[in-house]
Amino acid sequence: GAVVSQHPSRVICKSGTSVKIECRSLDFQATTMFWYRQFPKQSLMLMATSNEGSKATYEQGVEKDKFLINHASLTLSTLTVTSAHPEDSSFYICSARESGVYQYFGPGTRLLVL
Amino acid sequence: GNSVTQMEGPVTLSEEAFLTINCTYTATGYPSLFWYVQYPGEGLQLLLKATKADDKGSNKGFEATYRKETTSFHLEKGSVQVSDSAVYFCALTLTGTASKLTFGTGTRLQVTL
Repeated sequence: GAVVSQHPSRVICKSGTSVKIECRSLDFQATTMFWYRQFPKQSLMLMATSNEGSKATYEQGVEKDKFLINHASLTLSTLTVTSAHPEDSSFYICSARESGVYQYFGPGTRLLVL
Repeated sequence: GNSVTQMEGPVTLSEEAFLTINCTYTATGYPSLFWYVQYPGEGLQLLLKATKADDKGSNKGFEATYRKETTSFHLEKGSVQVSDSAVYFCALTLTGTASKLTFGTGTRLQVTL
């Protein structure tokens, strides 16, 4: 089946630093990737949709300068949390879609900003 | 707009009990419906899906039937196991929305011996 990986799985950083999270589709080409944020015991909130080679589309209320998304190839998208602050601590999950409607999810990255 | 409503949890059951997690939806078109499962500390895994009315999705003993008349997609399993303990999310997507998923709030299932 389709496999999506994320790296790192867990990261702790100091306030003010930037953190990059990678999302890779391992056995298929992802024309579209999605980035979600999940707060404890809550549902997933879609942050942005990215298509390979074009700029990401951000959901309302998501700061595009804060959460930089790059979908450089059909198998890789990155999310960079710039100048991270404690309120950015969360579980970040990516998903990838090859075609059709099905999304395959990565295992998530837990970010803790001190 | 589109929305998904799930029953509030947590749901606590004994092993081998029957499980039902209710899910209803509102959508402006004809959605595809999904159940995702999230085990502790992990991302989401697709559990089952249905793309049109009266379709039944099934996987690992779980079933859900797409009921257009009641706008529902309830998840059922005849005999739960401790290993089924997880959070279950109902979700929908509409054709032409770039496959954006709308999730319910999730229902935590705890199965005890």
